[in-house]
Amino acid sequence: EIVLTQSPATLSVSPGERATLSCRASESVRNSLGWYQQKPGQAPRLLIYDTSSRATGIPARFSGSGSGTDFTLTISSLEPEDFALYYCQQRFTWPRVTFGQGTRLEIK
Amino acid sequence: QVQLVESGGGVVQPGGSLRLSCAASGIPFSTENMHWVRQTPGKGLEWLAVISYDGSTKYYGDNMKGRITISRDNSKSTLYLQMNSLRAEDTAVYYCAKALGGMYYFDYWGQGTLVTVSS
Repeated sequence: EIVLTQSPATLSVSPGERATLSCRASESVRNSLGWYQQKPGQAPRLLIYDTSSRATGIPARFSGSGSGTDFTLTISSLEPEDFALYYCQQRFTWPRVTFGQGTRLEIK
Repeated sequence: QVQLVESGGGVVQPGGSLRLSCAASGIPFSTENMHWVRQTPGKGLEWLAVISYDGSTKYYGDNMKGRITISRDNSKSTLYLQMNSLRAEDTAVYYCAKALGGMYYFDYWGQGTLVTVSS
């Protein structure tokens, strides 16, 4: 099973600043990595798929990069509604996909 | 708009069984592969199972393999998850989800249904 390790566990950033979240895979997933946002009491929402493609309706301030084992989600200028939990997910080993353990983005 | 609505969760004793349902609307259900994913406090998000659009192909994750069965009724636009021999560690929120273009990223999720395994 491919293990995804997200860092940091908690990230404190001020509104308007840039946030950079990391996801490292235990082995290469090529570009088969996505990102989700989850708010309390809600299901995850797909933000990014295949490393850098934004899902429908996702603002341009969300961007993804990376390849192989190291990936980054960048939020260029944080809005109040962006403070949430973020998860990465790989689909390289479909159907048995795996998720990271999450990064909590909190207001500094 | 797309709606996935789970039901059937609740409190069950260890060793017990439960069947979850997911009613879909706003999507061409009979042409979509459908998934179950769960979320636990300890292990986070875990993919459980997928069923092909016509029910002919099913895959399961290792976490609950042998204890769950995924099925669907396209005439009712409903997805099911039969869970048997439940354990305390199966306590979780269970989501049904649709994948984006068959790519195994999940673009639509239900609101989740909570399953608590406790005596």
